[in-house]
Amino acid sequence: DTAVSQTPKYLVTQMGNDKSIKCEQNLGHDTMYWYKQDSKKFLKIMFSYNNKELIINETVPNRFSPKSPDKAHLNLHINSLELGDSAVYFCASSQTAGGSYEQYFGPGTRLTVT
Amino acid sequence: AQRVTQPEKLLSVFKGAPVELKCNYSYSGSPELFWYVQYSRQRLQLLLRHISRESIKGFTADLNKGETSFHLKKPFAQEEDSAMYYCALSVTGANNLFFGTGTRLTVIP
Repeated sequence: DTAVSQTPKYLVTQMGNDKSIKCEQNLGHDTMYWYKQDSKKFLKIMFSYNNKELIINETVPNRFSPKSPDKAHLNLHINSLELGDSAVYFCASSQTAGGSYEQYFGPGTRLTVT
Repeated sequence: AQRVTQPEKLLSVFKGAPVELKCNYSYSGSPELFWYVQYSRQRLQLLLRHISRESIKGFTADLNKGETSFHLKKPFAQEEDSAMYYCALSVTGANNLFFGTGTRLTVIP
């Protein structure tokens, strides 16, 4: 009955590799998000999709590409991984777009780039 | 530009003592403020929002527009309150939340 799930939970990879993180929500929500939490625990929005359409695209390197095959899924693909990409990535969803709506977070994916 | 500031990275209090986690925001419009909490090995979740004006797990937070603050308070801290707390701001027309840098609260038994 997990609301927002992410896979994998941990990801260790080398510089230059390409990796993906998957996110799924079973809440019937229209909007999904990707956040990055750095080593200082700062949580910053990266992307948001509403009904499979990109609505937020913050200043992130274009090595990061989100993909939403349907409104229950929002995957994050990262090309040419760099050391600075090491962080915890959180997926979240909300009923619809708009910051007023409660966001439900996934457990996070800890990415370590060596 | 909108911003959320949580001046304390770490806060330790003894069990039974009052606790206040500070949050200040900058936004010229009408804000909506939230507190999210992340307990150990659990996911980030909503604790409370200023609109509902309710007390959750003994915590309250009042929006003070004059001081642009939304401090989180609890009169008697419990060990299970130990967690990471994030203050978040929603602004008109934006589709995301702006989070502060978080405060790690440790309640000492």
